[in-house]
Amino acid sequence: AQSVAQPEDQVNVAEGNPLTVKCTYSVSGNPYLFWYVQYPNRGLQFLLKYITGDNLVKGSYGFEAEFNKSQTSFHLKKPSALVSDSALYFCAVRDLFSGGYNKLIFGAGTRLAVHP
Amino acid sequence: EPEVTQTPSHQVTQMGQEVILRCVPISNHLYFYWYRQILGQKVEFLVSFYNNEISEKSEIFDDQFSVERPDGSNFTLKIRSTKLEDSAMYFCASLLDTQYFGPGTRLTVL
Repeated sequence: AQSVAQPEDQVNVAEGNPLTVKCTYSVSGNPYLFWYVQYPNRGLQFLLKYITGDNLVKGSYGFEAEFNKSQTSFHLKKPSALVSDSALYFCAVRDLFSGGYNKLIFGAGTRLAVHP
Repeated sequence: EPEVTQTPSHQVTQMGQEVILRCVPISNHLYFYWYRQILGQKVEFLVSFYNNEISEKSEIFDDQFSVERPDGSNFTLKIRSTKLEDSAMYFCASLLDTQYFGPGTRLTVL
């Protein structure tokens, strides 16, 4: 079965410092991986995705993610964190075996807190 | 930029009542989904919909749930007889090449 794991419930980082939010995956075949962000009382906003190609994927708001096949990881990164980046971050994988209709399987989420 | 919209933003209902949650997907998208997020838990898939029929549903999506696309734009989720455990945030999503989510409807069942 396809799954993703986010090993950290919360990540704390000082403003201006680099941030990393971790995600590992378990899939059969090539993974389609996604990051979404959820601000308080808001929906899920798409940040970036990896389908194929370059292992470093650039997305919205200065975020990027590195696909590492040997470590089965897809960590989200940003070189310099902003207080406004504080939110709940979800890693997701597309379920390729769901009749072709591509539902997403989400991780448990990681709360990012950026302190001034 | 096109976006998925959902109404209402918050729905409070009594146990046993029927609720209808509404979504307007992005206009050129072909696949539609409902997910839910119980407070403090992960986002869970409920159902996917394509070509005017359900393409897949989860174990959560029992006989109390139904979906339809009555007019080619709206996409609705109906819960026939709500239970306390249906209290959650319900997200609609639509897909062309990436799933885009609506802002959610918070359902509170008393």
